[in-house]
Amino acid sequence: QSALTQPRSVSGSPGQSLTISCTGTSSDVGSSNFVSWYQQHPGKAPKLIIYDVSKRPSGVPDRFSGSKSGNTASLAISGLQGEDEADYYCCSSAGSFTLVFGGGTKLTVL
Amino acid sequence: EVQLVESGGGLVQPGGSLRLSCAASGFTFSIYAMIWVRQAPGQGLEWVSGIGGSGGSTFYGDSTKGRFTISRDNSRNIVYLQINSLRAEDTAVYYCAKVLTGYYYYMEVWGKGTTVTVSS
Repeated sequence: QSALTQPRSVSGSPGQSLTISCTGTSSDVGSSNFVSWYQQHPGKAPKLIIYDVSKRPSGVPDRFSGSKSGNTASLAISGLQGEDEADYYCCSSAGSFTLVFGGGTKLTVL
Repeated sequence: EVQLVESGGGLVQPGGSLRLSCAASGFTFSIYAMIWVRQAPGQGLEWVSGIGGSGGSTFYGDSTKGRFTISRDNSRNIVYLQINSLRAEDTAVYYCAKVLTGYYYYMEVWGKGTTVTVSS
């Protein structure tokens, strides 16, 4: 179970849109629709923001959207807001009821 | 309100053991799988282990298989993580999480975490 690959950091200005990628292999992201994304603010527990590749839990703004193509999943954030500044982690099933996380991406709102 | 409260962390010497607990409330505990995730200082999240609602099925990550044991007591609404032969690289905040209703792979509610420090 090697960690999924995410960019270490991304940045954008308020109101802009950006995308965070998450690259795995045919053993995890490529063969799974159990892909999720978590948002973590400093000193806080993670929060589920996307599941089943593209579904949003109740209460998560529709500015957040997810997609997948082949071995790469993506999280898109539109209309960036200051409160979006956080670390973002992708997560995928990796077979036999195991999970693997990405290394995390630090989002900075300029 | 769904709540998860972890406890049992602390400073332990290399080679020692710890049992972490996660007390759950606000939901029907026995029908939900529970998951442990850890985060080393300044590092990312790592999935540690999962357990089915009845406790009959347990799952571990490659790095935790063998030294970690997950269990649960559905009469007390507690999930445990026993860690043996502790190493410096086990130093982390350990979170327990309740899965999303109807799923196993998604962690919907998280506790605040308990800190484990392995050092002599």
